[in-house]
Amino acid sequence: SQELEQSPQSLIVQEGKNLTINCTSSKTLYGLYWYKQKYGEGLIFLMMLQKGGEEKSHEKITAKLDEKKQQSSLHITASQPSHAGIYLCGADPGYALNFGKGTSLLVTP
Amino acid sequence: GAGVSQSPSNKVTEKGKDVELRCDPISGHTALYWYRQSLGQGLEFLIYFQGNSAPDKSGLPSDRFSAERTGGSVSTLTIQRTQQEDSAVYLCASSSWADRDDNEQFFGPGTRLTVL
Repeated sequence: SQELEQSPQSLIVQEGKNLTINCTSSKTLYGLYWYKQKYGEGLIFLMMLQKGGEEKSHEKITAKLDEKKQQSSLHITASQPSHAGIYLCGADPGYALNFGKGTSLLVTP
Repeated sequence: GAGVSQSPSNKVTEKGKDVELRCDPISGHTALYWYRQSLGQGLEFLIYFQGNSAPDKSGLPSDRFSAERTGGSVSTLTIQRTQQEDSAVYLCASSSWADRDDNEQFFGPGTRLTVL
């Protein structure tokens, strides 16, 4: 089965700083999803990457999938308190998603 | 439009009791998924429904867990003889499966189950 390893497990950054979260797969990724979770709000879809070398951006969040399609990174520029939450990467093996264990992000003033 | 809804939002039960968790997917979505999120375990896939096909139950942790989807819409996840290790947040998601290359899943807010 496909395993997803996220790093770091948790992150505390000062408001305005940049940060990167990584997601490494044990197998080739054929669809990589990034979600954000806040308490009591379920998961919010951020981006989906499929092609090697693909990069997508939404507001201050950029996600990339490497050429070999085994690693993805999520980069937040000039972090804000609204970015706080748990970031999850999920791989699509054909139906449901296999998720990493998540990265907890706290943004301090 | 309305998103995925789940009820109840919180459920506290005693060990050994049965519980039912409900999921209302987005109207028109043919695919429905149940996941479980517990401390230290991340999000685990439980069961998947797609249209009228037989559900994929490969993620159910034991035969105490079952789920059904009536009329291709609402789904109920049932846990019989609950155990303390069943305590978790149970998340439901649905998708339109309109494009195999972009199967975005829309998640509900979850049901937090606590077994005393």
